Amino acid sequence: ETGVTQTPRHLVMGMTNKKSLKCEQHLGHNAMYWYKQSAKKPLELMFVYSLEERVENNSVPSRFSPECPNSSHLFLHLHTLQPEDSALYLCASSQDPGGKKLFFGSGTQLSVL
Amino acid sequence: QKEVEQDPGPLSVPEGAIVSLNCTYSNSAFQYFMWYRQYSRKGPELLMYTYSSGNKEDGRFTAQVDKSSKYISLFIRDSQPSDSATYLCATIQGAQKLVFGQGTRLTINP
Repeated sequence: ETGVTQTPRHLVMGMTNKKSLKCEQHLGHNAMYWYKQSAKKPLELMFVYSLEERVENNSVPSRFSPECPNSSHLFLHLHTLQPEDSALYLCASSQDPGGKKLFFGSGTQLSVL
Repeated sequence: QKEVEQDPGPLSVPEGAIVSLNCTYSNSAFQYFMWYRQYSRKGPELLMYTYSSGNKEDGRFTAQVDKSSKYISLFIRDSQPSDSATYLCATIQGAQKLVFGQGTRLTINP
């Protein structure tokens, strides 16, 4: 395994479901990120973890709950989502403190019905 | 006003053409500028980054920053079908917070 791995690649869920997205990085980086990518909109930063501590929560609704148990793993727990939450959710990691060079996973394409 | 503005395209050019991709930004305090490339069904990957004004060249790619007009450009010479992707410009708003443009979808036709 190399780089940043995200599972599942695709997820369809109802508004009452609870699901989790998983991200694992094999690069030895110390910062991990969740981004949301919607059609025709810029990438939106959701959460940043540095050395396993959350350093950024970009006004994300509480129905999204991140978890970073160690520097290699990052989760995004989802519950009672809305159809407008359908998007590509991207995980990234970085080593440099400024976060200029991000390494992204391939994303989880989420559809909320 | 959006912090980074980018024409979403799509942009379609013949193979071998010179491609120019552009973004504008709003805050003159921004210092670092990045270009990411995103292939279909993949995450973005860093292509190039520059600091402050000037040019940076890497093979067929040249990144250019004009801080006086808050304008950043990416030029692709001798474009290839494998360059077909979405190109995202980005800058750093604060510690560990990248701000992205909307992305320009580029197609190079053989």
